[in-house]
Amino acid sequence: AQRVTQPEKLLSVFKGAPVELKCNYSYSGSPELFWYVQYSRQRLQLLLRHISRESIKGFTADLNKGETSFHLKKPFAQEEDSAMYYCALSRNTGFQKLVFGTGTRLLVSP
Amino acid sequence: GAGVSQTPSNKVTEKGKYVELRCDPISGHTALYWYRQSLGQGPEFLIYFQGTGAADDSGLPNDRFFAVRPEGSVSTLKIQRTERGDSAVYLCASSYVAAANTDTQYFGPGTRLTVL
Repeated sequence: AQRVTQPEKLLSVFKGAPVELKCNYSYSGSPELFWYVQYSRQRLQLLLRHISRESIKGFTADLNKGETSFHLKKPFAQEEDSAMYYCALSRNTGFQKLVFGTGTRLLVSP
Repeated sequence: GAGVSQTPSNKVTEKGKYVELRCDPISGHTALYWYRQSLGQGPEFLIYFQGTGAADDSGLPNDRFFAVRPEGSVSTLKIQRTERGDSAVYLCASSYVAAANTDTQYFGPGTRLTVL
C-alpha cells in the first residue's frame, strides 16, 4: 500500500535554529517524492521535488531509499517559514496521483 | 495570470441535499485533479481528468460522488444525498500535462463543505 507518514503534527523552533521535518513513505516501486507548503491564508503549493534536486528558500530534501525517508531540512529557520508542510509521493510514470501525509505545522518563533 | 479558482468558497448544506462544487483550471491546462481534505488530514485523491475524460476515478468514495468536465476546462464535482462525513475542504488542482515526474499541480483555494 502507498502511504506517507509525517510523525510530527507540530514542530516549534526559534529563528536561526536548524529545522528537520520528517517524512517516511511506503511504496512498492520507485516513487517520486514532493514537499508541499501552505502558508497562512494561502493555497497549497509545491515547495520542492526529489527529481529536481534543488534548494528552494534554503530548504533541501534527500531521498534515502534504504530508510524510505525524504526529510526536509533547513539549516537556519526564518519566521516566514512558519507554515503547514505536507510530504507527498506519486508513481514516477503516468499521471501524477499524489498521496499526501497528514502534515507538520512548523512554527518559527523570534 | 489567474490561478485555479473554485466556487463557492464555502458551502453549508443539510444532510441529504445535493451539492455542486466548481473548479476553473488555469487556461491551457489539460489535466485536472480533485482532492478532499478532512480536518487534520492531508489531501486525498478523488479523481483525475485528462481533457474531457475521467482517466482515474478510483478515489471517489462511493457512487454518491460524480464529477464532469464536459468541455475539457471547467469541472464540477457533484455530491448526492450528502452525509455529515462528507464535510471537508474540496481541493481542485490543474497542470499543463500529466507526466508524473515533471508535472506541477497548481491548487485552488478549495471549497469548504459543511453538512449539517
